[in-house]
Formats: sequence, C-alpha cells, structure tokens
Amino acid sequence: NAGVTQTPKFQVLKTGQSMTLQCAQDMNHEYMSWYRQDPGMGLRLIHYSVGAGITDQGEVPNGYNVSRSTTEDFPLRLLSAAPSQTSVYFCASSYGLAGGSQFFGPGTRLTVL
Amino acid sequence: AQSVAQPEDQVNVAEGNPLTVKCTYSVSGNPYLFWYVQYPNRGLQFLLKYITGDNLVKGSYGFEAEFNKSQTSFHLKKPSALVSDSALYFCAVRDDTNAGKSTFGDGTTLTVKP
Repeated sequence: NAGVTQTPKFQVLKTGQSMTLQCAQDMNHEYMSWYRQDPGMGLRLIHYSVGAGITDQGEVPNGYNVSRSTTEDFPLRLLSAAPSQTSVYFCASSYGLAGGSQFFGPGTRLTVL
Repeated sequence: AQSVAQPEDQVNVAEGNPLTVKCTYSVSGNPYLFWYVQYPNRGLQFLLKYITGDNLVKGSYGFEAEFNKSQTSFHLKKPSALVSDSALYFCAVRDDTNAGKSTFGDGTTLTVKP
C-alpha cells in the first residue's frame, strides 16, 4: 500500500495563479480531509469529505475548492492564490468511523509570491 | 462547535524523567480523542486514541493518555522520556454528531534533553 500520497511536494506560485494539489489514498477510506499547517497555529481544517460526492467546509475554506468524484482522490483547488495561502498542506484519510485514526500524506509546501 | 486547547507551547524534560503534555477539549456529543506526533519535516503519525471504555489508553512508543470526562481532558504521558521523543505533539477531537470533522490543537513542542 502506498498509503496517502500528495503531489507536488513543493510549489511556488505567483499571486493570482490557480493550481490543484493532488491527494490520493489506496486504503478504501471513506473520510478524507485537507489541512493547512502554519507556525503556532496547529492544523486547521480546510475541507473534508465523508464519501464520494460528499464534501463540507472546515474552519478555513475561503479561497479553496474541493471535489470527491472517487473514493481514492480528493484534490484541493486554489482558485486565485494569495500570499496568505503560503503554508504546508496536508491531506489525510481514515475509515468512516468517528473513532478512525487518520493517515496523513507527506505534505505540500506552497509558497505564494 | 468543537475545540481543542493545548495550553503549553513547549514542554522541556530531562531524559529518564516522566513527561506530560496537556490537552483539554470541548464537543457537543461524545468525544473521540486522538494524539498525533510530527517529527521535523514529516507528516503526522497516529499515537493513540480514546473511543470508549477504559480511561487509560496505551499507544505507540510507550505513550499513554488518560481520559477525564469531568475535566474534559486527555493528557499524554510517558513514564520515562527519551531524547528521541522530541517532536511536535497534537491533540485532536471528533464528535460523534459529525464524525468526518476533526479539530486539532495548536501543538506542543516536546524537547527531551540528555
């Protein structure tokens, strides 16, 4: 099993550009989530999904879109990048239970100039 | 709304001494509590969780945590710290009324000195 994979590992964007961060898991997990990690602010939930075709907003959804067309994939789209979106982004997945522990991808380090 | 507080940004202990990393939570329904660890430039790894049952749960690398419902706490503990335990630790909570949504604390940096 590859677990949770994220691409790219590093990305530099200019303000106003758009891009998609990819996330895939091969564990047949129902739940998937996107987080951003900023110094001193822990992990903040951007969007999450409880199954294919179902997504919901987290704490900091503005400026980001998601879709979940398959169980395996959960891409995160930045519509018009801003410097405030400079961060490390983590994707995670878990079984469809409240008690399911999350498996995290290696992260994408994004810099917006 | 659910929330998690980790009141200490940093915890410093000497190798061989016991360690405690504190966590308190707030949820509407029944809590499901987790501890994760992050080593430098790595993703997060699961350590242990509380779902139901025994209030003392044991996890990886000799860590344990005690669930206290009356104090809404879930403190992480280890009887004898190792230098290799130095890392960033996160407490997280889920609520059984919205099981797909996790909330994390701001993290506590644990430094174990030889």
